[in-house]
Amino acid sequence: QVQLQESGPGLVKPSQTLSLSCTVSGGSISSGDSFWSWIRQPPGKGLEWIGYIYYSGRTYYTPSLKSRLTISVDTSKNQLSLKLRSVTAADTAVYYCARDLHHHFDYWGQGTLVTVSS
Amino acid sequence: QTVVTQEPSFSVSPGGTVTLTCGLSSGSVSTSYYPSWYQQTPGQAPRTLIYSTNIRSSGVPDRFSGSILGNKAALTITGAQADDESDYFCMLYMGSGIVVFGGGTKLTVL
Repeated sequence: QVQLQESGPGLVKPSQTLSLSCTVSGGSISSGDSFWSWIRQPPGKGLEWIGYIYYSGRTYYTPSLKSRLTISVDTSKNQLSLKLRSVTAADTAVYYCARDLHHHFDYWGQGTLVTVSS
Repeated sequence: QTVVTQEPSFSVSPGGTVTLTCGLSSGSVSTSYYPSWYQQTPGQAPRTLIYSTNIRSSGVPDRFSGSILGNKAALTITGAQADDESDYFCMLYMGSGIVVFGGGTKLTVL
């Protein structure tokens, strides 16, 4: 059973960088059969796909965030990471990591709330 | 940019059948979009219900089914139960590595 766990600061100041990690257990991020994704959900709103990464480092980002976004992977730690630069209040959301197995998300982390506020 | 559309809300009586849809602001949804469906209750992570149009995820009751109806993907709940009251999100693979979620449907069972 694959499990994912997000971690990182719950509060980020405007204009700073939001940094999150997701640790994968019960499976290898290097298995080659999956992409590893970040998804977010502003309070009371819907889901927004942020982007995903293959273990090789190949990435795909949603166009609206591409200029501020970096997703990376550390295969030695079985982790993926998210960095979102120049954040505003609009980036306040629950951030989820998830495994993408052939165009659908089959395993999800529990999510972590990140609030952007001074 | 293409928008994925869903009904904002829907209601169904206990034991009834409801069909939620997932469309495109421009064009038709086909199996090539690998439509998937997710159920979410407040405070919880989404749960995968259906993927690749009509494949039920492990442990999902067979009262949930997926299909293509006309130019949209559809999620049908047959024999709705009280604990089916949730938000339902569809997701489409748009090609070139891009996926998009619909805005979600809030389903009420009453």
